Amino acid sequence: GEDVEQSLFLSVREGDSSVINCTYTDSSSTYLYWYKQEPGAGLQLLTYIFSNMDMKQDQRLTVLLNKKDKHLSLRIADTQTGDSAIYFCAVEDSGGYQKVTFGIGTKLQVIP
Amino acid sequence: EPEVTQTPSHQVTQMGQEVILRCVPISNHLYFYWYRQILGQKVEFLVSFYNNEISEKSEIFDDQFSVERPDGSNFTLKIRSTKLEDSAMYFCASSESRMNEQFFGPGTRLTVL
Repeated sequence: GEDVEQSLFLSVREGDSSVINCTYTDSSSTYLYWYKQEPGAGLQLLTYIFSNMDMKQDQRLTVLLNKKDKHLSLRIADTQTGDSAIYFCAVEDSGGYQKVTFGIGTKLQVIP
Repeated sequence: EPEVTQTPSHQVTQMGQEVILRCVPISNHLYFYWYRQILGQKVEFLVSFYNNEISEKSEIFDDQFSVERPDGSNFTLKIRSTKLEDSAMYFCASSESRMNEQFFGPGTRLTVL
């Protein structure tokens, strides 16, 4: 089945850019997502990219997809303290009824 | 903007009790899903549901679990006899079709004592 890997922790200074990376195994995945989870809260969909795209930009967020390397990244420009949260990379499986496989989540710490 | 809603936001129950977690998917969506996240662990797929039947389920989704769409709007997850290890955040999701993105609800935190 699909496997999604991401680093556990990232620390950045307020105002800097954050880049959170993710790798996955199923090359025929259709949708690739980034979710944000604040402590004790649910999953907030930040953005997603369809597999036929290389890049998607949405205000401070930029998603880059390298299908050849099966690598997905999320760049947050001008990172703020309110961006501190866990960020989950999630990939929709190409087979079956499209279950989504999540990474372990990257905890982003923004230092004032 | 339409969204998936879930009730309750937090459910506390005694071990061995039955619980029903409720979800209202987005109204024109046809595919429904349950996921769970044990504290500190990955979000895990439980089950997908389409056309009033289970289309896929994971090994976690054993006989203690069942899903139902009792009416045109609700989608429920029932755990028959809860265990301590069922304590987790349970997320419902829905999508318009197999080819559309999944939208997640805010989750129900289940605590089994």
